[in-house]
Amino acid sequence: AQSVTQLGSHVSVSEGALVLLRCNYSSSVPPYLFWYVQYPNQGLQLLLKYTSAATLVKGINGFEAEFKKSETSFHLTKPSAHMSDAAEYFCAVSEDGYNKLIFGAGTRLAVHP
Amino acid sequence: EAQVTQNPRYLITVTGKKLTVTCSQNMNHEYMSWYRQDPGLGLRQIYYSMNVEVTDKGDVPEGYKVSRKEKRNFPLILESPSPNQTSLYFCASRTGGETQYFGPGTRLLVL
Repeated sequence: AQSVTQLGSHVSVSEGALVLLRCNYSSSVPPYLFWYVQYPNQGLQLLLKYTSAATLVKGINGFEAEFKKSETSFHLTKPSAHMSDAAEYFCAVSEDGYNKLIFGAGTRLAVHP
Repeated sequence: EAQVTQNPRYLITVTGKKLTVTCSQNMNHEYMSWYRQDPGLGLRQIYYSMNVEVTDKGDVPEGYKVSRKEKRNFPLILESPSPNQTSLYFCASRTGGETQYFGPGTRLLVL
């Protein structure tokens, strides 16, 4: 069965600092992996997705994630945090493409001045 | 504008009183899905639909019903709501190999 583990339910960084949000997955087949962002009182918005084309995936708003099969990880990074990055971030995995998404519990990112 | 809409956005009800949360998309998407979001649990899929009259259970279908009579609509029905169904609900849709588009969410409180 698929599962997703996001390490750290809350992460706090200073503005301008590196953002690193961790995601590990388990899957019996090569997975499709996603990162979504949820701003307060809004729905989920796709940040980026991995579909086996390239291990380093670039997304919107300066975020990127690297697929590491040996570590079963898909960590999300951004070189320099901005106040507007404060939100909740969800990692998700799908084995059948895009139909059945399994989400992690989420990581709430706080950015302080 | 391409969008997924949900109504109502906020709902307070009492145990056992049937309710329906509507979901509509204007993108002619075949696939639609319902999720619930609970603190510490992320999003869990309730039901999904591959096309009109084709629905299937997700991970947490108990206590919910759905129907897909038209391509654009995918209502979520709670026949007899209970307090453990208090949650934030999201509808999503997609087509082909595209990713899912999510609605704005419906916050439900069952007393």
